[in-house]
Amino acid sequence: GIQVEQSPPDLILQEGANSTLRCNFSDSVNNLQWFHQNPWGQLINLFYIPSGTKQNGRLSATTVATERYSLLYISSSQTTDSGVYFCAVGGIKAAGNKLTFGGGTRVLVKP
Amino acid sequence: GAGVSQSPRYKVAKRGQDVALRCDPISGHVSLFWYQQALGQGPEFLTYFQNEAQLDKSGLPSDRFFAERPEGSVSTLKIQRTQQEDSAVYLCASSLGRGPGNTIYFGEGSWLTVV
Repeated sequence: GIQVEQSPPDLILQEGANSTLRCNFSDSVNNLQWFHQNPWGQLINLFYIPSGTKQNGRLSATTVATERYSLLYISSSQTTDSGVYFCAVGGIKAAGNKLTFGGGTRVLVKP
Repeated sequence: GAGVSQSPRYKVAKRGQDVALRCDPISGHVSLFWYQQALGQGPEFLTYFQNEAQLDKSGLPSDRFFAERPEGSVSTLKIQRTQQEDSAVYLCASSLGRGPGNTIYFGEGSWLTVV
């Protein structure tokens, strides 16, 4: 099946700093989503972005499908940005919305 | 309800016990998924329903795992003869439509510990 790798595995930021999280995937996809898992375990959808660039407040994401990677940018980080960020992809042959998740990037934003 | 609801939130089972985990998706959502998340890892796909039809169960780890959605709304994930390696968070998710562009909404999960 499709492989998803995220880097870095862990990230410690000072409040106000910017950061970039990367997601590499091994095959063509028609579905790519970024999620944030808060410390209580709730997964929140941030972006649906199989290609192109999107922005939502301090977060933005870019997917270059032809090169099989996606980037999530966090600007002016806040302590509430702490948690685990997951990239999840759906291969073209996947049924419905089936997603394969990466291992996540654990982000800690210090005040 | 407003979101995906799962119950129980926490379950401690003795090894060999059967457990049933319930998921109430967002009303009207066609697609329903179950994922398993071990500590420190990303969620792993278990099974997918489109209405009442189970279209993909390729992620179920063994025949001890069984899922159903008989009326196309509420779903139950059943684990028979639980083992310690079944300890994980079981996440349910739903989406309105069938295609990849539909936003997926996750519940808060059922945390299962097998002792």
